[in-house]
Amino acid sequence: GAVVSQHPSWVICKSGTSVKIECRSLDFQATTMFWYRQFPKQSLMLMATSNEGSKATYEQGVEKDKFLINHASLTLSTLTVTSAHPEDSSFYICSARPRVKDTDTQYFGPGTRLTVL
Amino acid sequence: AQSVAQPEDQVNVAEGNPLTVKCTYSVSGNPYLFWYVQYPNRGLQFLLKYITGDNLVKGSYGFEAEFNKSQTSFHLKKPSALVSDSALYFCAVSPLKAAGNKLTFGGGTRVLVKP
Repeated sequence: GAVVSQHPSWVICKSGTSVKIECRSLDFQATTMFWYRQFPKQSLMLMATSNEGSKATYEQGVEKDKFLINHASLTLSTLTVTSAHPEDSSFYICSARPRVKDTDTQYFGPGTRLTVL
Repeated sequence: AQSVAQPEDQVNVAEGNPLTVKCTYSVSGNPYLFWYVQYPNRGLQFLLKYITGDNLVKGSYGFEAEFNKSQTSFHLKKPSALVSDSALYFCAVSPLKAAGNKLTFGGGTRVLVKP
């Protein structure tokens, strides 16, 4: 149980284009999903917290117009990298917190590797 | 603000020997502490967590961790390491639930288990 998927697993795009990454909780409902970014050989940096039915909360320094987050349902959140540039190349990981009382554990997706040429 | 420190970038251990990965934390109030493992080009897998109760927490794949409040530590341990345990390990802390369960991660410790 508690499986989170991401699609696509990897994507290569041209500079200036937009890329959408999907995060799905497959066997549970998630009121809250989180988006992280991980650079090579580094830790995860929280980008934003996505709550179903409301606007995402972005961490300091993360451009909300650059990284559009939509949490359309209790099982789906999307991250759209708009007008991507090479510096946006990274490993993007989502996590989901089950909609169950008193649960504190986040379950992570397998990640999406974005390469911007 | 909360923070997590993993003082070792890499830990090398021979297969069959005990494995310890260190973690210390700083958080206001009671901490929720987690260990995750990451294999190459993969997301994070949950290993174990401490919320309340016994200081010794047992998790997946034979791992355990001990919460030490006075030393603000949450070291990960395994009595007998396997080659397949070679991976990147992250310690993470979250404050009280009211803070929205934001996790702060340590820098990660790479574990290399040699046959």
